[in-house]
Amino acid sequence: EVQLVESGGGLIQPGGSLRLSCAASGFTVSSNYMSWVRQAPGKGLEWVSVIYSGGSTYYADSVKGRFTISRDNSKNTLYLQMNSLRAEDTAVYYCAREGIAVAVEQKVMMEGWYFDLWGRGTLVTVSS
Amino acid sequence: SSELTQDPAVSVALGQTVRITCQGDSLRSYYASWYQQKPGQAPVLVIYGKNNRPSGIPDRFSGSSSGNTASLTITGAQAEDEADYYCNSRDSSGNHLGWVFGGGTKLTVL
Repeated sequence: EVQLVESGGGLIQPGGSLRLSCAASGFTVSSNYMSWVRQAPGKGLEWVSVIYSGGSTYYADSVKGRFTISRDNSKNTLYLQMNSLRAEDTAVYYCAREGIAVAVEQKVMMEGWYFDLWGRGTLVTVSS
Repeated sequence: SSELTQDPAVSVALGQTVRITCQGDSLRSYYASWYQQKPGQAPVLVIYGKNNRPSGIPDRFSGSSSGNTASLTITGAQAEDEADYYCNSRDSSGNHLGWVFGGGTKLTVL
């Protein structure tokens, strides 16, 4: 079965660190773009970070310098190392697989990126 | 970074058609994708690319785009379509390489 399963969430004090894991099955993490997306309680979705199949990584401004995305190809697992945690980092964290669809519109190539597979999420609560 | 703007809430009578819109500069360069999220559940992809539906998504869901606006249309809304809907696209602003979500639209089926 193709699925993603997150783990590692919990209650952590401000300034602390936490590492989230996302175990994949049914496909290869390293062959895909993989992202972390979070959702604060009662709020909308916020993209956090991506790791490309080639290994490049990018971050939202809100977490740059504090969070690190990585993967372990031997375990087919995605990670998010979160340091210097703040109250505003409290959220459900989802990992998601990405895909791309391309079409030509009036002779211009348009890309359509999408997240086609999501985990169930893991809750991170930053509070003293 | 870019922004995507959605109406916070929309309502539709059972069986009628509803359009949910998403506006943003990045939509001039990239197609939007659309996600349905029900309470306590992970988002589910419903539309991607020019107008593609993943396997298992009913054909009453469709997508379109024009200029800086993308739309998700539900033709013949059902009670089970009541949910939050989010648009998403690649962030095309400057050197920022990432993705951006709209604020979400809460759909109520009356």
